[in-house]
Amino acid sequence: AQSVTQLGSHVSVSEGALVLLRCNYSSSVPPYLFWYVQYPNQGLQLLLKYTTGATLVKGINGFEAEFKKSETSFHLTKPSAHMSDAAEYFCAVRGSGTYKYIFGTGTRLKVLA
Amino acid sequence: DVKVTQSSRYLVKRTGEKVFLECVQDMDHENMFWYRQDPGLGLRLIYFSYDVKMKEKGDIPEGYSVSREKKERFSLILESASTNQTSMYLCASSLRQSIYEQYFGPGTRLTVT
Repeated sequence: AQSVTQLGSHVSVSEGALVLLRCNYSSSVPPYLFWYVQYPNQGLQLLLKYTTGATLVKGINGFEAEFKKSETSFHLTKPSAHMSDAAEYFCAVRGSGTYKYIFGTGTRLKVLA
Repeated sequence: DVKVTQSSRYLVKRTGEKVFLECVQDMDHENMFWYRQDPGLGLRLIYFSYDVKMKEKGDIPEGYSVSREKKERFSLILESASTNQTSMYLCASSLRQSIYEQYFGPGTRLTVT
C-alpha cells in the first residue's frame, strides 16, 4: 500500500527566500513520485517527477526535488520564491505496477512581498 | 500538448437531480480518473477506468457511477445529487505504465442546493 504525508498545510515565505515543501511517502513497491501545482480555479499541472535514475530531479519554474530512499522523502525546493509561486502544491506517489496515484492533502504556499 | 477537457467549469444543481459530468482527453490515454477535491482533504479518488467499459471503484464511490463507452471519454454520474456532493470535481488521464504522470482537466465546481 502507498501513502503520502505533506507536512504543513500552509507555508509562508518572503519573496526571494528559499521554498521548502515537505513530502514523505510509504510504498511497498518501488515508488514513482510526482509534484503538482494548482493555481486558483485550475486543474493540477505537473512540476516534476522521479521514476528511476538520478535522485535530484529538476522541474519547471526553477523547482527541484530530491528522492531520498532512506528517509522516504521527496521534498520540493526552490532557491528564491517569486510572487507567482503562490499556489497549492500536491505530492503524489504511484507504485510500480499499480494504476492508482495517491495524493497528499496539499500545501498552500503564500509568498510575502 | 495533452488536453483534458471537462464539459462545465461551474454547475448548479438541485438536490435529487441526476447530474452528468463529462471528460474528454485527446492523447489516446488508456487510464482515466475522477477525483473530488475538498479543502483540507486533498484529492480523493472516486472511480478510475483502465480501458473502455472497464472501471474500478476508488476510495469514495458511494453515490457515484461512471461510464466509459469510448476510449477518449469518461463520464461521472451522480444518480441523485445531494448537498454533500458539492465539491470540485477533477478528471485526469494517463498512459497505462506506472512511470507516467497524470494530466488534469480544469475542474468542474459543482454546487448542489
